[in-house]
Amino acid sequence: GQQLNQSPQSMFIQEGEDVSMNCTSSSIFNTWLWYKQDPGEGPVLLIALYKAGELTSNGRLTAQFGITRKDSFLNISASIPSDVGIYFCAGPNYGGSQGNLIFGKGTKLSVKP
Amino acid sequence: KAGVTQTPRYLIKTRGQQVTLSCSPISGHRSVSWYQQTPGQGLQFLFEYFSETQRNKGNFPGRFSGRQFSNSRSEMNVSTLELGDSALYLCASSPATSAGTDTQYFGPGTRLTVL
Repeated sequence: GQQLNQSPQSMFIQEGEDVSMNCTSSSIFNTWLWYKQDPGEGPVLLIALYKAGELTSNGRLTAQFGITRKDSFLNISASIPSDVGIYFCAGPNYGGSQGNLIFGKGTKLSVKP
Repeated sequence: KAGVTQTPRYLIKTRGQQVTLSCSPISGHRSVSWYQQTPGQGLQFLFEYFSETQRNKGNFPGRFSGRQFSNSRSEMNVSTLELGDSALYLCASSPATSAGTDTQYFGPGTRLTVL
């Protein structure tokens, strides 16, 4: 079945640093979604990508839909403390028909001590 | 536009009991999906409803069920609760139009604790 491999699993950030994370799949995706989740809350949609090669920004966040359609990247520029949280990539599970998203395991962003 | 709402936000039950969780989608959204999130398994798909019909179901036992009403509001029910059912239950709605069919917007979740 489809699986999403997200890396890194965790990272520590210092305010002002740029952050990069990515998501890869063994199969093709037609949509890539990036979410952020704070503790005890539901995931919040950050960026949606619908076309191979697409590069989309949302403030300091930029995400790209890989040309091979098997990967996607999320970059955060000039990180701030409120960027801390868990970031998930997700894509539709077409093998299971509509309404079913597959999620990566998440990248946990923490502040450097 | 109001977001996805879920009630209750927190719930404590004991083993063997049953529970019903409620979800109101974003106005105009016709598709509602449910997910279970646990630290060990991450986010796992339960089922999806569209126009009061279950279109898709994940790999969960029959104790997990759901329904959707004509106003697109949805409920999920878990019967004979087990300790392992403790999780954050998330509802997500989607416009289910030709563009952006797969883009889902999540509610805040219901935290279920089974004792």
